[in-house]
Amino acid sequence: SQTIHQWPATLVQPVGSPLSLECTVEGTSNPNLYWYRQAAGRGLQLLFYSIGIDQISSEVPQNLSASRPQDRQFILSSKKLLLSDSGFYLCAWSILRVRDFSYEQYFGPGTRLTVT
Amino acid sequence: EDKVVQSPLSLVVHEGDTVTLNCSYEVTNFRSLLWYKQEKKAPTFLFMLTSSGIEKKSGRLSSILDKKELFSILNITATQTGDSAVYLCAVEIINTGTASKLTFGTGTRLQVML
Repeated sequence: SQTIHQWPATLVQPVGSPLSLECTVEGTSNPNLYWYRQAAGRGLQLLFYSIGIDQISSEVPQNLSASRPQDRQFILSSKKLLLSDSGFYLCAWSILRVRDFSYEQYFGPGTRLTVT
Repeated sequence: EDKVVQSPLSLVVHEGDTVTLNCSYEVTNFRSLLWYKQEKKAPTFLFMLTSSGIEKKSGRLSSILDKKELFSILNITATQTGDSAVYLCAVEIINTGTASKLTFGTGTRLQVML
């Protein structure tokens, strides 16, 4: 069965510091991978998605970046954090469901980031 | 711009009540609508709906999609305190040649009291 891991679970970082959040998926090959952010009282906002190694699409302009150095590894980074980067960061994966050519997304446990 | 709107924003009910959560959408290239339950951490998948008028059921939860009127409802009967959570609606958009994407609503926060 497939599992998705994220770390760290919580993080407190000062403004201006760098960030690296990691997500790995087990039990599947060539998944689509996603990074979402959920700010307090708001819905999930898609930040990045990836259909393969080194193939990253950015959904919103920001000071974050993403990389996919291996098939099942997705990394979210920042060189200098802003206060507005605080939130709950979720990684998700999906693969094509052949019976209806659709995708279900499954989420990792998330990282709660507080920028102080 | 793709939009998913959920209502109500929050709801407080007593155990045993039945609740209906609403999700309306305006998107281009609709593929499917998904419901998730989010307790303290990551959302967990509930239903995926692709066809109008076909109810999906899982225990006390059920959901149906109306692609003509562009909405879906999630029903929970005989609610229990364990149903307390944020319920998220998301619409999957066909993105030709790349990964499919989900657009989420802001969620409905359900609190079930004893």
